[in-house]
Amino acid sequence: QKEVEQDPGPLSVPEGAIVSLNCTYSNSAFQYFMWYRQYSRKGPELLMYTYSSGNKEDGRFTAQVDKSSKYISLFIRDSQPSDSATYLCAMRPILTGGGNKLTFGTGTQLKVEL
Amino acid sequence: EAQVTQNPRYLITVTGKKLTVTCSQNMNHEYMSWYRQDPGLGLRQIYYSMNVEVTDKGDVPEGYKVSRKEKRNFPLILESPSPNQTSLYFCASSLTTGGYEQYFGPGTRLTVT
Repeated sequence: QKEVEQDPGPLSVPEGAIVSLNCTYSNSAFQYFMWYRQYSRKGPELLMYTYSSGNKEDGRFTAQVDKSSKYISLFIRDSQPSDSATYLCAMRPILTGGGNKLTFGTGTQLKVEL
Repeated sequence: EAQVTQNPRYLITVTGKKLTVTCSQNMNHEYMSWYRQDPGLGLRQIYYSMNVEVTDKGDVPEGYKVSRKEKRNFPLILESPSPNQTSLYFCASSLTTGGYEQYFGPGTRLTVT
């Protein structure tokens, strides 16, 4: 079983929809939770991060962490065609023997259609 | 512009022919890392470096070498590439070892025949 599970999609939604992307994990030591966005033929770029539990909002994006359920979510409101990308969750403990090693989900491919 | 650059972006080679993928960052970051991305497996760390002359293995180091002689550069070396090293490779850096944000390069798509 992988440490981080993420539905690969693809997920197709109409413009303006609310999108929910999710990851589950098994390692209770994970404390930093991140969402990366990866456009086709590009490297991942950090979208949001959350430390420990709770919610964080940034414009149309909201990240949620439920450590009791080992479940994290990214919500996108009023989705736009420019949001079409692959979304990767990533996480790590506070301190790692392996430096700043992130454990990634496999990514969910999102397409927002006009 | 702050960035991580990789070269080449695309490479097709044959089994056994040594190759180097370069990575350079202009942000004075301490931490650098190499990942490979494969369908269904996601991003997996190959090697990382916490500073000049300090490198260590990640999750999938077999068949790869790295060096960090200067802070800005972190080349990935495949001394004898094999077809199972066909993948999309990303270099990443962060300001400090404990920093949560990693900046990724544009990727190098490698095909080994």
